[in-house]
Amino acid sequence: NAGVMQNPRHLVRRRGQEARLRCSPMKGHSHVYWYRQLPEEGLKFMVYLQKENIIDESGMPKERFSAEFPKEGPSILRIQQVVRGDSAAYFCASSPDTVRELFFGEGSRLTVL
Amino acid sequence: GNSVTQMEGPVTLSEEAFLTINCTYTATGYPSLFWYVQYPGEGLQLLLKATKADDKGSNKGFEATYRKETTSFHLEKGSVQVSDSAVYFCALSDQGGKLIFGQGTELSVKP
Repeated sequence: NAGVMQNPRHLVRRRGQEARLRCSPMKGHSHVYWYRQLPEEGLKFMVYLQKENIIDESGMPKERFSAEFPKEGPSILRIQQVVRGDSAAYFCASSPDTVRELFFGEGSRLTVL
Repeated sequence: GNSVTQMEGPVTLSEEAFLTINCTYTATGYPSLFWYVQYPGEGLQLLLKATKADDKGSNKGFEATYRKETTSFHLEKGSVQVSDSAVYFCALSDQGGKLIFGQGTELSVKP
């Protein structure tokens, strides 16, 4: 059973460009969570999605950030018009329906030049 | 609101020393509690968990006991190894299903 797959592992963007980060949850998992880890800091919750629904986006910045988890395909975290402060590691995690344990991917490291 | 506070790092120990990383929490209700470990350049891996008061989670020589009276979930290991060097995160699950993490504690074990 493959783990949570994230890609790209590393992404470099210039200020003003768009970043798209993808996450394929573990097989059988329908809950996806995105977290951001800034240098020297812990993980901050961003958004929680189930298939085709955003359940909790209380940690998402109000502008430039969006997330989706379509019926088919991976979950996407999209950052428009990136700024240097968006440079961070973005982690995706998934869980099965009723268990609270999260399984994490290896992260996507975004660098904004 | 719900929150987790961990002792600040870095923690530097010699091999075979005793490890304690303190973790306290604030939460409504009775959350599940977790310790995750992150090795350099990798994602987080679940180390252990406890789902109710007085439960003890254990794995790979690490232990933590869910203490409701002190709202704590301290991580301990009797004899650390160089391979235990990593960042350790304490977390709780809130009522909405997401995990809330502490800021992480870096552990460095010297031979």
